[in-house]
Amino acid sequence: EDKVVQSPLSLVVHEGDTVTLNCSYEVTNFRSLLWYKQEKKAPTFLFMLTSSGIEKKSGRLSSILDKKELFSILNITATQTGDSAIYLCAVERTGTASKLTFGTGTRLQVML
Amino acid sequence: DAGVTQSPTHLIKTRGQHVTLRCSPISGHKSVSWYQQVLGQGPQFIFQYYEKEERGRGNFPDRFSARQFPNYSSELNVNALLLGDSALYLCASSPARSPANTEAFFGQGTRLTVV
Repeated sequence: EDKVVQSPLSLVVHEGDTVTLNCSYEVTNFRSLLWYKQEKKAPTFLFMLTSSGIEKKSGRLSSILDKKELFSILNITATQTGDSAIYLCAVERTGTASKLTFGTGTRLQVML
Repeated sequence: DAGVTQSPTHLIKTRGQHVTLRCSPISGHKSVSWYQQVLGQGPQFIFQYYEKEERGRGNFPDRFSARQFPNYSSELNVNALLLGDSALYLCASSPARSPANTEAFFGQGTRLTVV
C-alpha cells in the first residue's frame, strides 16, 4: 500500500516568514511526486518532481525531491496571506492506471 | 477555456438513496479520475477512466461505479448511501493517461452530505 506522510499537520506564521513543508513517501515503482494547493475546493497544481536534486521554482515557491531518502520539501519564502491554504503532496507509481496517493495535507495559515 | 466542470456543486441525500455525480473534462482531455475527500483528509482515489475504459480502481466497495461517455465526460454513481459517504467528490482530467506527462486539473468538486 502506497503511503504519503506530510508534516507538520498545521502551521501558523506571520507574513514575511519562510516556511518549509515536508512530505515523505513509500511507493512501489515510483514515477512522480506532485504538490497541490487547496484553498477551498479544487486542488491547483504547483509542481511535479521526477528527478532527485533538481529544484523547481515558481515565484516564491520552490520544491525539491530526494529519491534516496524518499522525501520532498516545499518552501515558501516571504509568505503572504494569500498563501493560506492546505498544501497536498501526492505520489504516483508506474503502472496501467494513473492513481495519485495523497497525504493528509499541511494546513498553512499566514497572519498579518 | 473552460476548466473541469462538475455538477451539482452541493447535494444532500438520505441514507439508502443513490446519487449520480457528473464531470466534464477540459476539452481534449481523455483521462478522467474520481477522488473522494473526507474532511481533514487528502483525496482518495476511486476510479480512473481513459478512452472510455476503466484503467484503475481504488479500495471502494461495489456500491461505487462510474463510466465515461464518448465525449469523455464521466459519471460517478454511488448506491445505498451511507453516512460515511459524506465527502467532497473531486474529478480530475488530464490529456494523457498519467499525470507524469502533465499535471491533472481538478474540478471544484461536489459536496455530498448524507443524512
